Amino acid sequence: IQLTQSPSSLSASVGDRVTITCRASQPISHYLAWYQQKPGQAPNLLIYAASTVQSGVPSRFSGSGSGTEFTLTISSLQPEDSATFYCHQVKSYPRTFGGGTKVEIK
Amino acid sequence: QVQVVEFGGGVVQPGRSLRVSCVGSGFTFNSYSFHWVRQAPGKGLEWLANISDDWKTYYEDSVRGRFTISRDNSKNTVYLEMNSLRPDDTALYYCTRDGMNLGEMDHWGQGTLVTVS
Repeated sequence: IQLTQSPSSLSASVGDRVTITCRASQPISHYLAWYQQKPGQAPNLLIYAASTVQSGVPSRFSGSGSGTEFTLTISSLQPEDSATFYCHQVKSYPRTFGGGTKVEIK
Repeated sequence: QVQVVEFGGGVVQPGRSLRVSCVGSGFTFNSYSFHWVRQAPGKGLEWLANISDDWKTYYEDSVRGRFTISRDNSKNTVYLEMNSLRPDDTALYYCTRDGMNLGEMDHWGQGTLVTVS
């Protein structure tokens, strides 16, 4: 199952609403997770089951979608959100990741 | 607290073998499945292999037959044995715990660097 993320990079201002899209090559129901990776750090789980926010993750992060199209939304971008975000399908093996979306702060 | 820590990376010549390890703590190790994920320098994430709590294994096509995932519950350790290493296997290798919700990777180690040169 291939995952295509868009855009591959974006630049936005503090306070902006940011949306990242992940498209699956075949239906995966709600079997999708999102991770945030800051420079020099391991990835960190943000969202699982497409829309469930992991404990401890700020409420400005949300996920939606089902089937083949999914979105990660940051409702009000903060300086500490500068990172690369990855989607990940957990429907079947081999597991796959999207190519990543790099978010920069203007 | 929950931790997974990787060990065993290093510099290895092409064609040689290397085994990396991952030790888990702070949770009931034998109840979880684990993954290995790698990240080449400046690149994205690549899933490699999984071992379930009941010892089933799964592999990405490009490493099946060269890499072997295993576990030793008595040592709270997961291993990744890598054979016939190539320069394009150079990457940071992460061990991750598979969460009990819907297959998400809920805990990641800091990674161990493998350089094939």
